[in-house]
Amino acid sequence: GEDVEQSLFLSVREGDSSVINCTYTDSSSTYLYWYKQEPGAGLQLLTYIFSNMDMKQDQRLTVLLNKKDKHLSLRIADTQTGDSAIYFCAEKYSSASKIIFGSGTRLSIRP
Amino acid sequence: NAGVMQNPRHLVRRRGQEARLRCSPMKGHSHVYWYRQLPEEGLKFMVYLQKENIIDESGMPKERFSAEFPKEGPSILRIQQVVRGDSAAYFCASSLTPGQGTYEQYFGPGTRLTVT
Repeated sequence: GEDVEQSLFLSVREGDSSVINCTYTDSSSTYLYWYKQEPGAGLQLLTYIFSNMDMKQDQRLTVLLNKKDKHLSLRIADTQTGDSAIYFCAEKYSSASKIIFGSGTRLSIRP
Repeated sequence: NAGVMQNPRHLVRRRGQEARLRCSPMKGHSHVYWYRQLPEEGLKFMVYLQKENIIDESGMPKERFSAEFPKEGPSILRIQQVVRGDSAAYFCASSLTPGQGTYEQYFGPGTRLTVT
C-alpha cells in the first residue's frame, strides 16, 4: 500500500538542530523527497535521496534513510527563523508517475 | 529560466460555476502533474499528462473534473459545477521526461480555489 506518515508538529529553539521523521510503507519506493512549503506558497524541493543510499548531506541538511525500518529523517543544523515552514516527506517509485506525500510537519522556531 | 507558472493564484467561484486553472510548465519540460491540497493535509495526486495525452488519471474524481495539455498553450484543469468540497489549493508540477535524467518534479505556486 501507499502511505507516508509524519508527526504534525515540531518546535525547536533557534540555533538547535531540527530532526523531522517520516515513515513510509512502500518498499519499492525508489526516490524519497523532502519538500518545504512556506505559508501561502508552493512547494520547494529541498533534497532527495535514492533508495540505494543511506545518507545525503547538503549544507545544513542531512537526510538519513533506514530501508529496513522504512524510516526517513531530515536534520536541519543550526535552525533559523527562516526555516519555519511545513516540511513534506514524499516517495515515488520509478514505475509510477505520481509522488505520494505525507501530511506534513509544521516546524516552528522559538527564540 | 522561469519556473512553473500557474494562474490565477486565487479564484473564487459560487457553487455550480465552473473553475479553470492554468499551468505553464518550466521551459523544456513536457510532463505536467496536477495535485490537490485540502486544508491541513498533504498533496494528493490527481493526473499526469504529456502533450495531448493523459497518461495517468487515477487520482481524478470520476465526475466534474477534467484535464488537458494541448499541443500549444498551458495545461488546464477544469472543474464543472463546483461544490464547497472543491475548495483547496491546486498545484501543478512539471518534469523532464522520466528516464532521461532527473525525476524531480518542480512545483508551481498553486491556485487557491474558494467555493462560496
